[in-house]
Amino acid sequence: NAGVTQTPKFQVLKTGQSMTLQCAQDMNHEYMSWYRQDPGMGLRLIHYSVGAGITDQGEVPNGYNVSRSTTEDFPLRLLSAAPSQTSVYFCASSPVGGKDTEAFFGQGTRLTVV
Amino acid sequence: LAKTTQPISMDSYEGQEVNITCSHNNIATNDYITWYQQFPSQGPRFIIQGYKTKVTNEVASLFIPADRKSSTLSLPRVSLSDTAVYYCLVGGDNAGNMLTFGGGTRLMVKP
Repeated sequence: NAGVTQTPKFQVLKTGQSMTLQCAQDMNHEYMSWYRQDPGMGLRLIHYSVGAGITDQGEVPNGYNVSRSTTEDFPLRLLSAAPSQTSVYFCASSPVGGKDTEAFFGQGTRLTVV
Repeated sequence: LAKTTQPISMDSYEGQEVNITCSHNNIATNDYITWYQQFPSQGPRFIIQGYKTKVTNEVASLFIPADRKSSTLSLPRVSLSDTAVYYCLVGGDNAGNMLTFGGGTRLMVKP
């Protein structure tokens, strides 16, 4: 019972490089989202998806792209990494959207941009 | 989305009951109140959720007064393993799990 799986767990990038953070869930959840967490702060929403083929922007979308071709996968792409994107990234999924549901989070990807 | 206010940090000792209060003066009629727990280097984990009055599960209790402008997470007889950051969230959005996290309350349980 894997839940939400994120890869890689750690990554170091040089400024200007691009990469994709992977997120997969095996709970058949419709809703998935990406957050970033800076040191000592709460999580901030980057992008989210309400189902395959549908994505939308969250609070801090600049510099990131997402796609949702399947229910299971929701990759986050950094287009041109910048030091300001150094953070821990969390992917989450939930069975339905809204206020009265539980979100399940992955273990995070710790990204450092040098 | 309703903004929440929580204490930045709290200290407690093993075996004590811990109550963390969250203020959410602008809560909307349809909003739920949800608490998450986050250990270092891990993603947040759902603890409890409620709409009004009292909710209890095997981990915690959630007390919500009639005006719903605040809520209190109660952790009975905490242990060292309850040391974590606790987030109070209000609302969400039917378009997805658009959770809005504040700074949370950093709970330190001491022996």
